[in-house]
Amino acid sequence: EAQVTQNPRYLITVTGKKLTVTCSQNMNHEYMSWYRQDPGLGLRQIYYSMNVEVTDKGDVPEGYKVSRKEKRNFPLILESPSPNQTSLYFCASSLINGYGGSVHSPLHFGNGTRLTVT
Amino acid sequence: ILNVEQSPQSLHVQEGDSTNFTCSFPSSNFYALHWYRWETAKSPEALFVMTLNGDEKKKGRISATLNTKEGYSYLYIKGSQPEDSATYLCAPYNQGGKLIFGQGTELSVKP
Repeated sequence: EAQVTQNPRYLITVTGKKLTVTCSQNMNHEYMSWYRQDPGLGLRQIYYSMNVEVTDKGDVPEGYKVSRKEKRNFPLILESPSPNQTSLYFCASSLINGYGGSVHSPLHFGNGTRLTVT
Repeated sequence: ILNVEQSPQSLHVQEGDSTNFTCSFPSSNFYALHWYRWETAKSPEALFVMTLNGDEKKKGRISATLNTKEGYSYLYIKGSQPEDSATYLCAPYNQGGKLIFGQGTELSVKP
C-alpha cells in the first residue's frame, strides 16, 4: 500500500531533550516536506526537500533540522525542544514535475505526530 | 508569503443541503491551487489540483472552480452528507516553490 509513515504518533518530552520524528514514504517521491499545525494558524511549512541531499527552509524552520540521505526517508530533528514547539506535525511527499515542486502533484500526508514539550 | 484567505471559517448545514466556500489568493505569479479534505483525527487528503483559469474539477458530489485572474476558487458540495464533515483546505502554489495553506473551512453536516 502506498503510504507515508510517521513515527511516533504521540510524543511527550521535556525541554532540551533531543528528539527525532521519522518519516518514510514508499512511493519513490522526490519531494518531501514537514508541516506543523497550530490552532488558528493552519499548516505551516518547516523544511522541504526536492531530492536526496537537497533540503531547504520553509516558513518556520527555526529550532528544527532535517536530513535527506535516502530518497524514502526525511527525519525531522529537534536538537533542543522548547514548549513553543508543542504542535501537531505532518510529513508529506509528492512527485516532482517540470516546475520543480509539487505544483501539479498532490501531497500525500502521513498520519501526524502530536508532540508535547513540557 | 502569500496571503491565503478561506471563508467562511466554519459552516453548519443540514444533511441534503448544498454548500460552497471560497479560497482567495493573490493572482500574480500563480502556478496551481490544491484543495485538501481533512477529517478529524486523520491526515489531509488531496481533492483537486487545479492550474488553468476557468478550470472546473469534479469528484462525486464535490466540485471546484478556479479563477486565476481575480484570485479565487470555489468548492461546492451538492447534497451534503454527514461523512462530508471535515475541514477543507486550499493551498496555492507560488513562484517560490511552496504550497501555502489557508486556515481552512470547517464543515459540519447534521443528519
